[in-house]
Amino acid sequence: ETGVTQSPTHLIKTRGQQVTLRCSSQSGHNTVSWYQQALGQGPQFIFQYYREEENGRGNFPPRFSGLQFPNYSSELNVNALELDDSALYLCASSTPGGRGTWELFFGEGSRLTVL
Amino acid sequence: GENVEQHPSTLSVQEGDSAVIKCTYSDSASNYFPWYKQELGKGPQLIIDIRSNVGEKKDQRIAVTLNKTAKHFSLHITETQPEDSAVYFCAASIETSYDKVIFGPGTSLSVIP
Repeated sequence: ETGVTQSPTHLIKTRGQQVTLRCSSQSGHNTVSWYQQALGQGPQFIFQYYREEENGRGNFPPRFSGLQFPNYSSELNVNALELDDSALYLCASSTPGGRGTWELFFGEGSRLTVL
Repeated sequence: GENVEQHPSTLSVQEGDSAVIKCTYSDSASNYFPWYKQELGKGPQLIIDIRSNVGEKKDQRIAVTLNKTAKHFSLHITETQPEDSAVYFCAASIETSYDKVIFGPGTSLSVIP
């Protein structure tokens, strides 16, 4: 158990809809990163939040957006869903450099299916 | 940007044999190389990492080697056990304060009892 919880675990949406995924970070972690993992692929970096500010973004369009709250929990929002958005969305919390570790602590993910 | 390649994509070994997974990276500025293990239905979990100022690191049955000149790094698992069956991901990043980690495509390891 990493202490990172994600909700919902599974959800089904239709093309064009919007979705919000939620993540509670491990206690003491101030950074949250979001990854998209397509079936059979490695996680792809979407963006990272540190102290409520976006702190780095991967190659994802602006319809992927996020928030981080004062308690370091986070949301991932995806607008105008497309079929290719079907994937496992992983949240990872960390305290980069803290105690000399750069480990990402992943949740179990939210499985999104877009029909 | 950084690109990480990984081979093989699938690997099947007999219990007790060794398993080797190899990765290459493209950005010479990368200096931190973690390996993650993902079991079915779970998120990836860090199993070992290595920094660019070190050529090899061992932790019990797991070892990682790094060749910065060739931009290669490898994971070695000895005396494999059925519970080692999982998908393994190599990754690379620049160890700045808040940078991103770029993952390889993964290797599905099956250990046959």
